[in-house]
Amino acid sequence: QVQLQESGPGLVKPSQTLSLTCTVSGGSISSGGYYWSWIRQHPGKGLEWIGYIYYSGSTYYNPSLKSRVTISVDTSKNQFSLKLSSVTAADTAVYYCARGADQVGQFDYWGQGTLVTVSS
Amino acid sequence: SYELTQPPSVSVSPGQTARITCSGDALPKQYAYWYQQKPGQAPVLVIYKDSERPSGIPERFSGSSSGTTVTLTISGVQAEDEADYYCQSADSSGTVVFGGGTKLTVL
Repeated sequence: QVQLQESGPGLVKPSQTLSLTCTVSGGSISSGGYYWSWIRQHPGKGLEWIGYIYYSGSTYYNPSLKSRVTISVDTSKNQFSLKLSSVTAADTAVYYCARGADQVGQFDYWGQGTLVTVSS
Repeated sequence: SYELTQPPSVSVSPGQTARITCSGDALPKQYAYWYQQKPGQAPVLVIYKDSERPSGIPERFSGSSSGTTVTLTISGVQAEDEADYYCQSADSSGTVVFGGGTKLTVL
């Protein structure tokens, strides 16, 4: 059974960089065939896709966030990470990591989510 | 930017059939996926590629597609089906998009 677990600071100051890591267990990122995504959900709102990374390191980001997002992968640790720069209060959200079985979605495994609050 | 449109809410009595629609111009060319999200939990995939059901998802969940609209149907709704439901697809460039979500209330 594949499991994903997000980790990182729950509080980030405005203008700083939000950094989260997703640790995958029960399956290897480097086996290929899956697209490892970050998705966020503002409090009481809907889901917003941030971007994905493939095991090879190729990435695709949501154009609305592209200028501030970097997703990287560490296959030796079976982890992938999110960096979101220049955060504001509007970036306060629950951040999920998820496995996409398809390049355009089909998120079949999700982490439990982690709330990141942007505040001074 | 591309949008998927869902009704904000749908209400149904136990045992009845709930239908949740999702509209988008690119749906004739892109698959749709459906997720169920209960309060405080991560979403769960209930339908993929318009009408396929993952293992472990009850048979009462089904999906269909017609033109620019896809529909999630829950037959014989149970109290445990009360949740938010999100459709998901992609635009022509491959950017993943979610619908705004539909709150299913079981009366």
